[in-house]
Amino acid sequence: KAGVTQTPRYLIKTRGQQVTLSCSPISGHRSVSWYQQTPGQGLQFLFEYFSETQRNKGNFPGRFSGRQFSNSRSEMNVSTLELGDSALYLCASSLVAQANTEAFFGQGTRLTVV
Amino acid sequence: AQTVTQSQPEMSVQEAETVTLSCTYDTSENNYYLFWYKQPPSRQMILVIRQEAYKQQNATENRFSVNFQKAAKSFSLKISDSQLGDTAMYFCAFMKRTASKLTFGTGTRLQVTL
Repeated sequence: KAGVTQTPRYLIKTRGQQVTLSCSPISGHRSVSWYQQTPGQGLQFLFEYFSETQRNKGNFPGRFSGRQFSNSRSEMNVSTLELGDSALYLCASSLVAQANTEAFFGQGTRLTVV
Repeated sequence: AQTVTQSQPEMSVQEAETVTLSCTYDTSENNYYLFWYKQPPSRQMILVIRQEAYKQQNATENRFSVNFQKAAKSFSLKISDSQLGDTAMYFCAFMKRTASKLTFGTGTRLQVTL
């Protein structure tokens, strides 16, 4: 069974550009969550999607957005990139959006903004 | 809002020895889950162990066990017979029972030495 796949693994962008990151969950999983990991702020929740609907959102500016497709694949988009957006972005998938189901993480996308 | 505190930024243990990682949390919720995740250099977050707050019995998974003190809001992880492969960042995390958003602590870097 394939795990959670995040693409690309590494990305370098220029300040002001926009970027799209992709997450393919484990087959059959319908819930996808996104987290940002930085040395200064640690792991912070971005948003969660279930059955193509955003169910929960963290405290991030509107430049951060996401969506989920009918096949449960999810994308997150960051517009007008800032240096502080440099981070490891992690995606997690679970069967359903409940705490008693295990969340499986991908290996992340390392975004560097220069 | 929930907070998770890990007061040990770094720890070291010799192979085959036992080590305990500390975690405290703050919440007004009564129904929740607590987790320990491991993040090796490969960056992929791996679930180590999970505890349901309404269960008094401490969770165990092979060499990993927890000491869950609900009244004290404490959730420590004990690793027995430490192995070199246990070298990683360890994150304590909280999740409300009715949600799927994880709130992470700042992590403890564990080094297992020969």
